[in-house]
Amino acid sequence: DAGVTQSPTHLIKTRGQHVTLRCSPISGHKSVSWYQQVLGQGPQFIFQYYEKEERGRGNFPDRFSARQFPNYSSELNVNALLLGDSALYLCASSWDWGDSYEQYFGPGTRLTVT
Amino acid sequence: AQTVTQSQPEMSVQEAETVTLSCTYDTSENNYYLFWYKQPPSRQMILVIRQEAYKQQNATENRFSVNFQKAAKSFSLKISDSQLGDTAMYFCAFIGGSYIPTFGRGTSLIVHP
Repeated sequence: DAGVTQSPTHLIKTRGQHVTLRCSPISGHKSVSWYQQVLGQGPQFIFQYYEKEERGRGNFPDRFSARQFPNYSSELNVNALLLGDSALYLCASSWDWGDSYEQYFGPGTRLTVT
Repeated sequence: AQTVTQSQPEMSVQEAETVTLSCTYDTSENNYYLFWYKQPPSRQMILVIRQEAYKQQNATENRFSVNFQKAAKSFSLKISDSQLGDTAMYFCAFIGGSYIPTFGRGTSLIVHP
């Protein structure tokens, strides 16, 4: 079975631009979570979605938004990019939102903002 | 809010030896889960071991075991018979009633041949 997939692998954007990151969960998993991992730090929780509804949100500005589609894939959108948004963005999937400890992570998308 | 502290930014160990990574956390909750994740240089994070706070018995997964001290809010990871493939960043994480994980800053472990 395929694991969690994320696209693109790498991305370079300019300040002020918008970016969309994509995630496909493991087949059968209904919950997707997004994390930001700045170099040298642990992952910071951004969002969790389950059955297309937001179930949790971390301490991130409104420039960050996400959604989950009927096939349980997900998009993370970031508007008005800042240099500080440069990070590895991780997606993780699990069977359901209450079962978030059984998370399976994707390889991440490396976003560089110049 | 919960906090997770990993006080060892870097650790090194010789192949076949044992190493212990430290983690402390702060919470007012009584029921929660604690985890150790491994992130190799290829970046994909994988779960190493999990501990339920209501269980007094320490979790063990092959060469990996934890020392869970609930009163001290301590959760260390012991890696026995270290292998070159154990070289990675290790993250300690906490999940409480909100189901939102809090991760530590990580410990970089290097296993030397």
